[in-house]
Amino acid sequence: AQSVTQPDIHITVSEGASLELRCNYSYGATPYLFWYVQSPGQGLQLLLKYFSGDTLVQGIKGFEAEFKRSQSSFNLRKPSVHWSDAAEYFCAVGARNFNKFYFGSGTKLNVKP
Amino acid sequence: DAGVIQSPRHEVTEMGQEVTLRCKPISGHNSLFWYRQTMMRGLELLIYFNNNVPIDDSGMPEDRFSAKMPNASFSTLKIQPSEPRDSAVYFCASSLIEGGNNEQFFGPGTRLTVL
Repeated sequence: AQSVTQPDIHITVSEGASLELRCNYSYGATPYLFWYVQSPGQGLQLLLKYFSGDTLVQGIKGFEAEFKRSQSSFNLRKPSVHWSDAAEYFCAVGARNFNKFYFGSGTKLNVKP
Repeated sequence: DAGVIQSPRHEVTEMGQEVTLRCKPISGHNSLFWYRQTMMRGLELLIYFNNNVPIDDSGMPEDRFSAKMPNASFSTLKIQPSEPRDSAVYFCASSLIEGGNNEQFFGPGTRLTVL
């Protein structure tokens, strides 16, 4: 069965510290992988996506993610967190020419001054 | 492009009333999705359309929920009758399946409160 697991419900980091948010997926086909961010009261905004090719993908706002097929993971990273990064982050998996996404339960990021 | 447009942004209604949520997808997109987000259940896919045709409605919780897409630029999600447990944020998203790219673009959501 297809699923996405984000094991960390809440994470708190200090401003300027590095960040890694975990995402593991279970998917029968070659996955397309996405990270979305949701600020309070807002919709979801795409941070980055992986379809094929280089397994390290760059996104907006200084985020990057690495696809590791052997670990079924697509972890999101940022070298230095800013206070404005406080939000909820969702990992999602889909497939080529297949509409349906499977979303993880989200990770809420708090940033300490 | 204005992005995905949803209306209303906020809706407060009483139990038993009919509620209609509206969505205008991004022009040219061929797929539309309705999601519901709650604290308890997270983000759930309710139904999605491809070329205005409902493809998968397995996430629609009950017969009280119905969705339509009469044309490529408009969709509605209706709840009749509404119940307090329907209180949630409802998101509409659209995408264009092209060359394998299926990124979904989300609207700002409608926050529904059923008293």
